[in-house]
Amino acid sequence: DGGITQSPKYLFRKEGQNVTLSCEQNLNHDAMYWYRQDPGQGLRLIYYSQIVNDFQKGDIAEGYSVSREKKESFPLTVTSAQKNPTAFYLCASSILTSSNTEAFFGQGTRLTVV
Amino acid sequence: AQKITQTQPGMFVQEKEAVTLDCTYDTSDQSYGLFWYKQPSSGEMIFLIYQGSYDEQNATEGRYSLNFQKARKSANLVISASQLGDSAMYFCAMRESNTGNQFYFGTGTSLTVIP
Repeated sequence: DGGITQSPKYLFRKEGQNVTLSCEQNLNHDAMYWYRQDPGQGLRLIYYSQIVNDFQKGDIAEGYSVSREKKESFPLTVTSAQKNPTAFYLCASSILTSSNTEAFFGQGTRLTVV
Repeated sequence: AQKITQTQPGMFVQEKEAVTLDCTYDTSDQSYGLFWYKQPSSGEMIFLIYQGSYDEQNATEGRYSLNFQKARKSANLVISASQLGDSAMYFCAMRESNTGNQFYFGTGTSLTVIP
């Protein structure tokens, strides 16, 4: 089954800790994205990647870091510099070269700072 | 400027009735795609329907149709014969060719279907 997998589903972080959210896809998509969603709000782009070993900042990249060492994987690290990390995080992937294909989403990771 | 605007934070509809969720967009690109997603309380994003900027016919997928008015830059989602399971957040999104095929999402509309 092709799809995009995020793990873990729930994550708890202590103040001052870095945590890494996993995102893996087997759809052979070039483009991958990380979004943050706060309660009652829309999706805000954190980072995106169009090719291995390359990625660009989105609208709210401060306090986050990513890597794209493999086409299938795009992990997101929430660093201690992110002052308000409690949120729902969604990873997505898509075919890059066309505006007529949708983004496929993972199930999301709910991060809570304790 | 906002690329996607959804002006209805919350909507209610009676079961079996039709409902329209509004979406307007802003682009100077000629080639773009418009998408609607459903997000139930579980959080997953479910793709519903797509409309291309060059498509002359409105897209339809089962009970979902997209009322595409290009001159007005609107792409409203119409859900016919609402069901209780349609209660969810609905997001409109756009993908433009001239910005590297990025996705832009609206703030969403929360739909509640009343029995």
